[in-house]
Amino acid sequence: QKEVEQNSGPLSVPEGAIASLNCTYSDRGSQSFFWYRQYSGKSPELIMFIYSNGDKEDGRFTAQLNKASQYVSLLIRDSQPSDSATYLCAVNILNRDDKIIFGKGTRLHILP
Amino acid sequence: GAGVSQSPRYKVAKRGQDVALRCDPISGHVSLFWYQQALGQGPEFLTYFQNEAQLDKSGLPSDRFFAERPEGSVSTLKIQRTQQEDSAVYLCASSSAVKNSPLHFGNGTRLTVT
Repeated sequence: QKEVEQNSGPLSVPEGAIASLNCTYSDRGSQSFFWYRQYSGKSPELIMFIYSNGDKEDGRFTAQLNKASQYVSLLIRDSQPSDSATYLCAVNILNRDDKIIFGKGTRLHILP
Repeated sequence: GAGVSQSPRYKVAKRGQDVALRCDPISGHVSLFWYQQALGQGPEFLTYFQNEAQLDKSGLPSDRFFAERPEGSVSTLKIQRTQQEDSAVYLCASSSAVKNSPLHFGNGTRLTVT
């Protein structure tokens, strides 16, 4: 099992709908979880981070963490065409010296 | 500085040449990471530092890759005898604390080996 897994997509969502992005991780001891957005040809930019079980909301974005099931998700409400990008999930891996490991990313396409 | 600065922005090297990529992290940031990102893939971990100490270099693909951060600030990633498979974007990121802090990325260096 890979340390951080994401569906590569593309995930197509109509404008105005909710986009749901998922990520699973292998290290039960992981404590920090991050979502980054990456536009083509650009570097990743932080959208949200979450450390505790449950939901964390920031504007149109909600991060959800379930440590028992080892998954973290990102919901984007009222999706806009500008949300079209690759979304990277990143997790700290304790059994690898607390490094931050990225998934391969999910490509999201918002349909106008 | 205001953000993580990487140079050069683009580098073209002939196969067999040595290259050096520079990363200047956000002032005061303790941790510094290097990642390699191939087209259409997520960033792959290469190595990371806490201050001047290189805590993990398990992601370096071969002994042709070497990274240093001698004074705990600027870091250099060196690739010797470049090969075509080294072509990728090399991303540097820094964070403010030892654990659990988000990474802030530079713009990356796009290396093309011909």
